[in-house]
Amino acid sequence: AQSVTQLGSHVSVSEGALVLLRCNYSSSVPPYLFWYVQYPNQGLQLLLKYTSAATLVKGINGFEAEFKKSETSFHLTKPSAHMSDAAEYFCAAPTNFGNEKLTFGTGTRLTIIP
Amino acid sequence: DAGVIQSPRHEVTEMGQEVTLRCKPISGHNSLFWYRQTMMRGLELLIYFNNNVPIDDSGMPEDRFSAKMPNASFSTLKIQPSEPRDSAVYFCASSLYEQYFGPGTRLTVL
Repeated sequence: AQSVTQLGSHVSVSEGALVLLRCNYSSSVPPYLFWYVQYPNQGLQLLLKYTSAATLVKGINGFEAEFKKSETSFHLTKPSAHMSDAAEYFCAAPTNFGNEKLTFGTGTRLTIIP
Repeated sequence: DAGVIQSPRHEVTEMGQEVTLRCKPISGHNSLFWYRQTMMRGLELLIYFNNNVPIDDSGMPEDRFSAKMPNASFSTLKIQPSEPRDSAVYFCASSLYEQYFGPGTRLTVL
């Protein structure tokens, strides 16, 4: 079964700086990969989805993620952080091929320093 | 679209009481998921349905928990009897190709 690892449970960046949140998957190439964002006291919101059509995926709010098979990674980036980006971010992958269940990473809490 | 709707948004109850959480999925979605989120355990999948049929309930903690999906537009998660360790935020999500989450129900069991 797939496992998803998010390096860094807490990441702090200055406003305007590059945001880099790391995600690695464990098993054979998954058909899909997701990033979700959770703002305080809200549900998870889909940021972006990888589907093998393109290795660079653009999402909402200026975020993008790049799928790298050689590194088994799907890191999330944003060129310039905004205060409103402060939230928790989750990476997820299908638990097994053909299964709708998702395996979520443990989450990375992003803090933006004014 | 209204998105996934959950009710109530907050529930405070006493140990031993029955609790029922409700979910209305996005119209046209064919899968529904119930999750629990706590600081200690993170996000846990409890059960999921496909076309109203329970597919995987391996995450249901114990017999005190039960879930139903009587039709495509409604699901319930019931805890009977409730215990303080059930305190958590419970999320419902629905899916056709990607999972969309509801706002959650914050449950506090005293």
